[in-house]
Amino acid sequence: EIVMTQSPATLSVSPGERATLSCRASQSVSRNLAWYQQKPGQAPRLLIYSASTRATGVPGRFSGSGSGTEFTLTVSSLQSEDFAIYYCQQYNYWYTFGQGTKLEIK
Amino acid sequence: QVLLVESGGGVVQPGGSLTLSCTASGFNFSAYGLHWVRQAPGMGLEWMAFIRYDGAATHYVDSVKGRFTISRDNSNNRLFLQMNNLRADDTAVFYCTKDAGTSGNYYFDSWGQGTLVTVSS
Repeated sequence: EIVMTQSPATLSVSPGERATLSCRASQSVSRNLAWYQQKPGQAPRLLIYSASTRATGVPGRFSGSGSGTEFTLTVSSLQSEDFAIYYCQQYNYWYTFGQGTKLEIK
Repeated sequence: QVLLVESGGGVVQPGGSLTLSCTASGFNFSAYGLHWVRQAPGMGLEWMAFIRYDGAATHYVDSVKGRFTISRDNSNNRLFLQMNNLRADDTAVFYCTKDAGTSGNYYFDSWGQGTLVTVSS
């Protein structure tokens, strides 16, 4: 099983600031990496796939990077609606999710 | 637009069985793989099961192999999850999700709203 590790567990950032979330895979997943956003009481929503491609309708302030075992999700100029939990997921060999990073208002 | 609506959740006793359903619309149902993903209360996401576009192939996470069965009815745009021998640690919200491809190993581009399964005596 490929283990996905996200850091930090919680990230406190002020609105308008930049947030950087990390995701590490226990072995290479190439660029088969997705990011999802989940708000309280809602289903997850696809943000990024293929490590850096934004899903339809996702604002340009969301960007993804990385390949192999190290990946980053960056949210530039945080808006109030961006405070949520973010999960990375590898789909290179079946599927595993990271444990999530909670992005909270500082 | 893609719509996935789960149903069938509820309270079941340990050792019991339950079948979840997911009714889909807004896309060519028979052309895509589908998954079940669960989320225990206050916890993260866990992929459970996958079924290929034609139903001819399935795959499960080890923890549910032999207990859960995923199936689909392409004539009626429905996905199912038959769950047997349920345990307390199966308590979770179960999401139906659409694969971006046909035969797996793609990301999940649409999610249902989820249905809650509670295993308790």
